[in-house]
Amino acid sequence: AQSVTQPDIHITVSEGASLELRCNYSYGATPYLFWYVQSPGQGLQLLLKYFSGDTLVQGIKGFEAEFKRSQSSFNLRKPSVHWSDAAEYFCAVGALNTGFQKLVFGTGTRLLVSP
Amino acid sequence: ETGVTQTPRHLVMGMTNKKSLKCEQHLGHNAMYWYKQSAKKPLELMFVYNFKEQTENNSVPSRFSPECPNSSHLFLHLHTLQPEDSALYLCASSQVGTGGELFFGEGSRLTVL
Repeated sequence: AQSVTQPDIHITVSEGASLELRCNYSYGATPYLFWYVQSPGQGLQLLLKYFSGDTLVQGIKGFEAEFKRSQSSFNLRKPSVHWSDAAEYFCAVGALNTGFQKLVFGTGTRLLVSP
Repeated sequence: ETGVTQTPRHLVMGMTNKKSLKCEQHLGHNAMYWYKQSAKKPLELMFVYNFKEQTENNSVPSRFSPECPNSSHLFLHLHTLQPEDSALYLCASSQVGTGGELFFGEGSRLTVL
C-alpha cells in the first residue's frame, strides 16, 4: 500500500531564508509524486509533480522538488521564502494504474513565515 | 465563474438534519471527487466519479450519499450525521488521462452538533 510521511507538522522560516519541506513515501512500484499547497480558507493547488525524467522538478511560485529514489524522498525547496508562502503544504503519491485518481496524501506541513 | 465552486462554505447541522453540499466545476473536466479534510489527518478520498459514473467509494458510511447528475455538478447529501463527521469537505475535478492534476474548490466547512 502507498503511504506518505511528512515528518514536520510545523516549520517557521524567516522571510528571505531558504526552505526545505520533507516528504518520504512508501510505494512498491514507480511513484508519481505531487506537492500541493493550501492557503488559509482555500482549496489545494498543485505546485509541482514528478512522473519521470529529471529528478529535479520545477514548479510554480519559485518552488522545486528533488526526487531521490534511494532515500524514498521528494523534498520541496524554495531558495527565498516570501510572507505569502505561509500556508499548508501536502505531499502526495499516486499510481499510474489508477489514473492518478486515488492520490494518497501526507498529513501536511504548516509553514509559518516570520518577519 | 471559473474553477471549482462549492456551496455552502459553512454549514452547521444537527444530527437529525438532512442537508446537501454542492460542487460545480467550470473547467470542462470529466472526473469529480469528494475529499474529507480533518485536523491532523491526511486528506481522505471519499468518492470518485468519471463521466458521471461512480468509480470509487472509499468505504464511506451510507449517511453520506453522493450524486453526480452531469460532469459539471456533484452533490453530497448528508443525513443523520455524527459529530465526528465535522470536517472540511473538499470537492475536486480533473481531466482523466492528462496527468493527475486535481483542481480543488475552497471547501464546505461542516459542523455537526
